Amino acid sequence: DTGVSQNPRHKITKRGQNVTFRCDPISEHNRLYWYRQTLGQGPEFLTYFQNEAQLEKSRLLSDRFSAERPKGSFSTLEIQRTEQGDSAMYLCASSLGRGGRSADTQYFGPGTRLTVL
Amino acid sequence: AQSVTQPDIHITVSEGASLELRCNYSYGATPYLFWYVQSPGQGLQLLLKYFSGDTLVQGIKGFEAEFKRSQSSFNLRKPSVHWSDAAEYFCAVGPGGRRALTFGSGTRLQVQP
Repeated sequence: DTGVSQNPRHKITKRGQNVTFRCDPISEHNRLYWYRQTLGQGPEFLTYFQNEAQLEKSRLLSDRFSAERPKGSFSTLEIQRTEQGDSAMYLCASSLGRGGRSADTQYFGPGTRLTVL
Repeated sequence: AQSVTQPDIHITVSEGASLELRCNYSYGATPYLFWYVQSPGQGLQLLLKYFSGDTLVQGIKGFEAEFKRSQSSFNLRKPSVHWSDAAEYFCAVGPGGRRALTFGSGTRLQVQP
């Protein structure tokens, strides 16, 4: 069990540029979540995948944000035309879902810190 | 809608002293409750969780938490704090399954020598 990994760990970009982050979940985990954490706040849910299907999106996820999990393994989160308000820590988590309202536990990666200048 | 309140933004304790971090939740059914810890610039590490059964749960690093349904609380405790416990602590509630966690805004713990 190597844990959830995220790359890059830090990203600095200029306003208007596109950025992409990658998350590799724990290998047997079928559920993958993206959260955003701004300074002094707890993580806020962005989106959720079960295998390759994106099943839930938050209203926080504007149309500039898109996430994929093409083969049900790693996931990418892309932000187009970045704005200064996008500066935050982007966290990925994974869990092993057993169906229905199963009590699965989410394990978090180290996060990608985005700074938009 | 579910919500989590952590009333204490910042707590300072002396090393060796006991610790209690408060967490109150609002949820319409039986909640699943979690405590995570985050060191500066790092991701979240799970300390402990409550799904069902015994309302006093033990976690890693000597932490424990007690679920009190009547008070809608899930407070985190440690009998003797170590300097390495300085970090930010987040309480979270979830329905499990396909749904995401809802986090509180966190409590920053500072440990004085």
